[in-house]
Amino acid sequence: AQSVTQLGSHVSVSEGALVLLRCNYSSSVPPYLFWYVQYPNQGLQLLLKYTSAATLVKGINGFEAEFKKSETSFHLTKPSAHMSDAAEYFCAVILPRGYQKVTFGTGTKLQVIP
Amino acid sequence: DGGITQSPKYLFRKEGQNVTLSCEQNLNHDAMYWYRQDPGQGLRLIYYSQIVNDFQKGDIAEGYSVSREKKESFPLTVTSAQKNPTAFYLCASSISTSGPGTQYFGPGTRLTVL
Repeated sequence: AQSVTQLGSHVSVSEGALVLLRCNYSSSVPPYLFWYVQYPNQGLQLLLKYTSAATLVKGINGFEAEFKKSETSFHLTKPSAHMSDAAEYFCAVILPRGYQKVTFGTGTKLQVIP
Repeated sequence: DGGITQSPKYLFRKEGQNVTLSCEQNLNHDAMYWYRQDPGQGLRLIYYSQIVNDFQKGDIAEGYSVSREKKESFPLTVTSAQKNPTAFYLCASSISTSGPGTQYFGPGTRLTVL
């Protein structure tokens, strides 16, 4: 079975500052990993995904994440926060064998302060 | 434009009533999913379907029912047996249920029990 933990249910950053959202996973085999973003009262949109190719994954809107097997982490970063980045972010994990349920983290709400 | 539509956006239900949430996709995806989202709990899987006329229970299926008579449609019925149905419901689809397939989400339906 797999699990994912997002550290910090709320994160605040100043506009222009580094964004770092933390995600740690647990799985029996190297998983596939995803970051999704959700704006208020909307569905989720894929930011990026790791599928065992390059460990540094670039996504939309300037976000990127690095898969670190030794740390079982997949933290999401963006060098400079923009007001439009304010949203809730979800990390998700799935095992790469047959049908496996996607497991979502509990989410991190990002607040960007002007 | 290809995508997933959910209707209605807001739904109010009296206790003891069954209600049906609509989900339609024109992405030609085989797999479809229903999730429930509550604050601070992430997304929890209610039901999923890998192919027409087939569906399986997720983690919290009690009090819910689904059908998959057409590839593009996956309606969810919230029955009176669901004791705490007030939540945000998200429908998603993916090409298949195996591999690193991205899940595409609809805009959601917010259900409130009066």
